[in-house]
Parts: sequence; structure tokens; C-alpha cells
Amino acid sequence: AQSVTQPDIHITVSEGASLELRCNYSYGATPYLFWYVQSPGQGLQLLLKYFSGDTLVQGIKGFEAEFKRSQSSFNLRKPSVHWSDAAEYFCAAPQLNEKLTFGTGTRLTIIP
Amino acid sequence: SQTIHQWPATLVQPVGSPLSLECTVEGTSNPNLYWYRQAAGRGLQLLFYSVGIGQISSEVPQNLSASRPQDRQFILSSKKLLLSDSGFYLCAWSSSPLQETQYFGPGTRLLVL
Repeated sequence: AQSVTQPDIHITVSEGASLELRCNYSYGATPYLFWYVQSPGQGLQLLLKYFSGDTLVQGIKGFEAEFKRSQSSFNLRKPSVHWSDAAEYFCAAPQLNEKLTFGTGTRLTIIP
Repeated sequence: SQTIHQWPATLVQPVGSPLSLECTVEGTSNPNLYWYRQAAGRGLQLLFYSVGIGQISSEVPQNLSASRPQDRQFILSSKKLLLSDSGFYLCAWSSSPLQETQYFGPGTRLLVL
């Protein structure tokens, strides 16, 4: 079955430092890919999505993600994190039956 | 613009009591609707989805049921809650087909004691 893997359960980054959150998928065809963010006690907010075309996707809040077919990856990046970026981040992709599969999430902590 | 509402925001219920969580969507017609559960420290588990009124698909066998009495209303229910039903319940909607972006509600925190 298709799967989405987020290898990092928890990442700590200093405010102002760069960030990269990893996401790997296992699909035969080019998938649709999503990144969502969840602040504590809140629902999920869409950061960005990749459907086709340019493999570098720009999202909200200064985030971007790059689809790399050769590495089966869709890593999320931000050049300089802010304290408000502390949250949980989920990568997602649809299964062959079109239902979304979510990774287990990466919790991001920002230190001053 | 589209908005999605969930209530209540928080709920504490005793084991064996019934449950009803409601989700409504505004600003769109014939949305696909989803119920997810998020247990502590785990990802999202799809519980139910619906592509139309009265059409419910269940993803996992469980103590819960779902109904869609109106186009933009999705209800999650249980006749008798279990301790294991505790979690964060999220409703989401998308346009057809299912691969389209899903938009989430604010969630309901359920604690079963």
C-alpha cells in the first residue's frame, strides 16, 4: 500500500535559523502531495500542495517544498523560522483509492 | 468563501454515554465530507467519508457511526462511548474528486472518563 513517511518525530530549531522537514512517499505514479500545519488544539491548515508542473512549490507563511521524484521526497523548507512556526506539521498524499494518507507528523519546537 | 464549523469544541463524557458531534460547511455545495480522529502522539486516522447525502463509507470497524442528513452537515455519533474513543476529532471537506485539497475544521476534543 502507498505510504507517507515523516522520519523526524520532533525537531528543535533556533529562531531565525533555517528549517527542513522531511517527507518521503511510496507511489508508482507522480502523486499529489500536501503539507499541513496544526497549531496546538487547532485544526489543520493547508500550507502548500503539489499537483504537477514546477517541482518547487511556494506556500503560505514563507514555506516552500520541493518534489524530488528520484528521492521520493517532498521536503518542507523555510529559510528563517519565527516563534509562531512552532506547531505540528503533516505531509499527506492520496492513496490509489483517492483517500488522503497522512504521515505521523513532525513536531517543531522553536527556541529563542 | 467557504468555512467549516465543528461543535462542541471540547467534550467530557462518561463511558457508556452517547455522543453526537456536528460538522457543517458553508459556502459550497455537494462537498465531500470526512471525519478523522487524531489520538495523542499519532497521525490522523480517517474514520468516515461521504460523497453525498446519505452516502457514508466507513474506513475502520469501530464504536462510531456517521450520518449526513443534509448536503453540508456531517454528524459523528456513538450509542455507548468507550475509553478508547478519547481523542481529537476533525471534520474536513473537499470538492470532488477525492484527490482535491481537504480543508479542516477547528476540531473537537473528546475525553471519555
